[in-house]
Amino acid sequence: GDSVTQMEGPVTLSEEAFLTINCTYTATGYPSLFWYVQYPGEGLQLLLKATKADDKGSNKGFEATYRKETTSFHLEKGSVQVSDSAVYFCALLDSSYKLIFGSGTRLLVRP
Amino acid sequence: EAEVAQSPRYKITEKSQAVAFWCDPISGHATLYWYRQILGQGPELLVQFQDESVVDDSQLPKDRFSAERLKGVDSTLKIQPAELGDSAMYLCASSTPRGGNTDTQYFGPGTRLTVL
Repeated sequence: GDSVTQMEGPVTLSEEAFLTINCTYTATGYPSLFWYVQYPGEGLQLLLKATKADDKGSNKGFEATYRKETTSFHLEKGSVQVSDSAVYFCALLDSSYKLIFGSGTRLLVRP
Repeated sequence: EAEVAQSPRYKITEKSQAVAFWCDPISGHATLYWYRQILGQGPELLVQFQDESVVDDSQLPKDRFSAERLKGVDSTLKIQPAELGDSAMYLCASSTPRGGNTDTQYFGPGTRLTVL
């Protein structure tokens, strides 16, 4: 079945550092891909998405490119802030419109 | 901005008791989802509704869990009896404004269940 694999955390960075969180997927066809963010004790917020190969999703300085060749959707940000500290989930939308999530990557940004 | 509403936000119960969670999706959203998120893991789908009909409940433990969306708007998820392993965050999401984009699911704040 479809699956998503994320790099394990926690990822600890200093403020203004460059962020990469790796995400790869296994799926039949070309599913829409998403990054969601979860702050402590809260639900998931959509961060960005891409619906087809080579699409780049972007929001709040974060971006990710849908790479069909490498089945990847890595999340990047050029300069992280303390307020970016959260858990980030990569997900794909399967053929029945169900989201399949990775296990999440915790990001901790130190001042 | 319209949001998915859930209540309660937190629930503590003893094992063998019954619990119920409520979700009100974004107005006009035809598809409603219940996910369970165990601490340290990604959410997993329990049940998916299209209007008032169940589309997928293959991962719902039907001996103790039930879900309904009687009028195709808000929904209730029930657990009876609760077990220790049910401690988790229960997330509701909605999508598919009629005639609109079917891709994006919007999540509520979740209900954190602790079973003692």
